[in-house]
Amino acid sequence: EVQLVESGGGLIQPGGSLRLSCAASGFTFSSYEMNWVRQSPGKGLECISYISNSVSTIYYADSVKGRFTISRDNAKKLLYLQMNSLRVEDTAVYYCARITYGWTSDYWGQGVLVTVSS
Amino acid sequence: QSALTQPASVSGSPGQSITISCTGTTSDVGGYNYVSWYQQHPGKAPTLMIYNVNYRPSGVSNRFSGSKSGNTASLTISGLQAEDEADYYCSSYASSSTTHVVFGGGTKLTVL
Repeated sequence: EVQLVESGGGLIQPGGSLRLSCAASGFTFSSYEMNWVRQSPGKGLECISYISNSVSTIYYADSVKGRFTISRDNAKKLLYLQMNSLRVEDTAVYYCARITYGWTSDYWGQGVLVTVSS
Repeated sequence: QSALTQPASVSGSPGQSITISCTGTTSDVGGYNYVSWYQQHPGKAPTLMIYNVNYRPSGVSNRFSGSKSGNTASLTISGLQAEDEADYYCSSYASSSTTHVVFGGGTKLTVL
């Protein structure tokens, strides 16, 4: 069974840093591209970062570029999102998702809440 | 403002059919057959319902179907059931997006 489990969220002050982790199981993690998608309270979905299976290609949304860093450890089956210089508007539930079938996210984690507030 | 345009809400009675539209441009919906639809119940993660415009993942009811015409994709749910009440999001590959994935703003489906 494919499972994705995020961790590392919480309450952080503006300007602070957090690192999210996503533990994968039930599939060959090293064969799949991965996304981080976030959802602000009461709002829609936003894809904020993408990483290829070999780490050769990485993309960021303009809203997080220069502040967030995506990475992965294929041996440990872990996906990461390092978030620096956090802003109030980064408050959201963050999901990791597996990519397949033409940029489709076929499996999602349960999500982790990040609250940026003073 | 989301890249893809969806109606904010739709509603239908049990047993009826509804259709949710998702309008983009030639740089996303109209240019590629990479449209997906996700169902999200309150407090839960999105679940994939349709991919590549009209393909259903294993386990998804055949009451759900997808189509596309020009720059507009559609999700049709037939034989509405109470459990279908949820938010629905479309997504597409987008050549103009820095992450190459764009979403619609979401549609709240109410089963009357």
